[in-house]
Amino acid sequence: EPEVTQTPSHQVTQMGQEVILRCVPISNHLYFYWYRQILGQKVEFLVSFYNNEISEKSEIFDDQFSVERPDGSNFTLKIRSTKLEDSAMYFCASNEGRISGANVLTFGAGSRLTVL
Amino acid sequence: DAKTTQPNSMESNEEEPVHLPCNHSTISGTDYIHWYRQLPSQGPEYVIHGLTSNVNNRMASLAIAEDRKSSTLILHRATLRDAAVYYCILLNSGGSNYKLTFGKGTLLTVNP
Repeated sequence: EPEVTQTPSHQVTQMGQEVILRCVPISNHLYFYWYRQILGQKVEFLVSFYNNEISEKSEIFDDQFSVERPDGSNFTLKIRSTKLEDSAMYFCASNEGRISGANVLTFGAGSRLTVL
Repeated sequence: DAKTTQPNSMESNEEEPVHLPCNHSTISGTDYIHWYRQLPSQGPEYVIHGLTSNVNNRMASLAIAEDRKSSTLILHRATLRDAAVYYCILLNSGGSNYKLTFGKGTLLTVNP
């Protein structure tokens, strides 16, 4: 079964450092997403990406965050200057992008970010 | 996004059926009902979805009320592996983005 692959599985960084989280979505999918989940809290939407541009972003996704699809397979989330409150699980997801509410998102296993 | 209401937690015994309820009284005619689950330390996982008719797949069944204001996810024989948080989410077919908005979900505990 096709999978969404995320790397690294766990990253520890110092406050103020830049972090890049990587995702390989399912190959024929057109919509890509990043979500995050702070320990013990809800899964929160960060950003969606379609046709090489951001289609929607949440209030969480401020200027410190950026996304990129640098080639035909990877989808990255960059945090420019990490803060303690950025510590969370970050999930990448993708879907086929059919025009239908029946669209199913496939999520990766997540990247745990710990900011010290 | 139309809202859903789920119990915070439910408990079941292994090999017994589990009925997880969801209320969505403000559902619109073009909202699909989706269920996802999140196993411990994993990403959310699609379970099932439907619009008006009941649906079955290899993981579960979805029973949708006639007025569509509520639905029930049915796990026919719970296993320990089904212990997870289950999310009931509405997804509008008129949207162009199809992002999922997660609530707190129902934490299902399965007793051996």
